[in-house]
Amino acid sequence: EVQLVESGGGLVQPGRSLRLSCAASGFTFDDHAMHWVRQAPGKGLEWVSGIGWNSGNIDYADSVKGRFTISRDNAENSLYLQMNSLRTEDTAFYYCAKDSTSHGSGAFDIWGQGTMVTVSS
Amino acid sequence: DIQMTQSPSSLSASVGDRVTITCRASQSISGYLNWYQQKPGNAPKLLIYTASSLQSGVPSRFSGSGSGTDFFLTISSLQPEDFATYYCQQSYSTPWTFGQGTKVEIK
Repeated sequence: EVQLVESGGGLVQPGRSLRLSCAASGFTFDDHAMHWVRQAPGKGLEWVSGIGWNSGNIDYADSVKGRFTISRDNAENSLYLQMNSLRTEDTAFYYCAKDSTSHGSGAFDIWGQGTMVTVSS
Repeated sequence: DIQMTQSPSSLSASVGDRVTITCRASQSISGYLNWYQQKPGNAPKLLIYTASSLQSGVPSRFSGSGSGTDFFLTISSLQPEDFATYYCQQSYSTPWTFGQGTKVEIK
């Protein structure tokens, strides 16, 4: 079964850091680009960042550029999101999503169940 | 950035109805348009990719059409399990952007 399982969310104060992880199984991880997409409570979807199969083609939304860093470990079938200088507006469910291609087509064909990040003092 | 606008923002429909949701891009995106379904408490699910290709396992009552700036998601005969929020998303250029969503509710 193809599966993505996120972890690492929680409550954090503004200005602090958090690292999200996504464990992949059921497919050849290093054949696919991967992404993080977030959804603030009661709001729509916002793409956050994406990374190609070989850690090339890294890109970020302007809202997180310079603060968040995406990475992957193909040997561990894992995707990561290092989030620094967190702001209250970063509060959201963070979803890990699999791209349908290796380089990043922007079609997200498998999603995890998400991990909640709450930024509050 | 490419802005995606969906209409309507919400609609009420009955089981068996034909439903169409519109998505408009702020510039031409050729056929690089995807549709997702999200039910409360769940992750989004890919329904349609590149405007009209049905994702594996998705019922054939779902269809997509359009190109350029105007796109449509049609549910030919609404079923109880189709009540959800639907999002369009452009995959023409980064940053990948989504529409604001269309909530389909039971009449």
